[in-house]
Amino acid sequence: RKEVEQDPGPFNVPEGATVAFNCTYSNSASQSFFWYRQDCRKEPKLLMSVYSSGNEDGRFTAQLNRASQYISLLIRDSKLSDSATYLCVVVTGGGNKLTFGTGTQLKVEL
Amino acid sequence: GAVVSQHPSWVICKSGTSVKIECRSLDFQATTMFWYRQFPKQSLMLMATSNEGSKATYEQGVEKDKFLINHASLTLSTLTVTSAHPEDSSFYICSARRGSTEKLFFGSGTQLSVL
Repeated sequence: RKEVEQDPGPFNVPEGATVAFNCTYSNSASQSFFWYRQDCRKEPKLLMSVYSSGNEDGRFTAQLNRASQYISLLIRDSKLSDSATYLCVVVTGGGNKLTFGTGTQLKVEL
Repeated sequence: GAVVSQHPSWVICKSGTSVKIECRSLDFQATTMFWYRQFPKQSLMLMATSNEGSKATYEQGVEKDKFLINHASLTLSTLTVTSAHPEDSSFYICSARRGSTEKLFFGSGTQLSVL
């Protein structure tokens, strides 16, 4: 089983739709979690941190479910500019090891 | 905010040549930098952790003699792909941490194409 798994997609959604991605992780001792956004052939950019209590930033909501070992990202009222690959990152090893998921590709269409 | 500069942005070279990629932290000191490789439609794969003033720590399966890492100062790490071959063609990205934060600041990446 991979350390971090994501559905690669692509998820094709119309503008204005709500879309959610999940990311599962295998190490129960994982301590921190992040969502990054990566545009084609660009560097990943931090989107948001993920907390057990949930984290909301505008149209984006991230959630952590430790019992089931997954994190989620919800995007409301999706925009064309949201089209990108979304990478989940799981931190283990006392903060020294960051493992990236393969990413979920989102395409928002008119 | 923190900025990490990486260059060159892209390199096209002949098979057998060596290519050096630089990664600089512009407004903070980075004791640790990371080098990743990303093939098309795949995730970032950590190649090695670069530690200032000491040897880099390589991930399993990464040849340290092929991918030379030097972290000579607190603001600069270099990755040299020695005797590059077409299978080394990939997108290479560096990242750095500022202090004890777990957040990574990424360079803009280097697209390497080996002919």
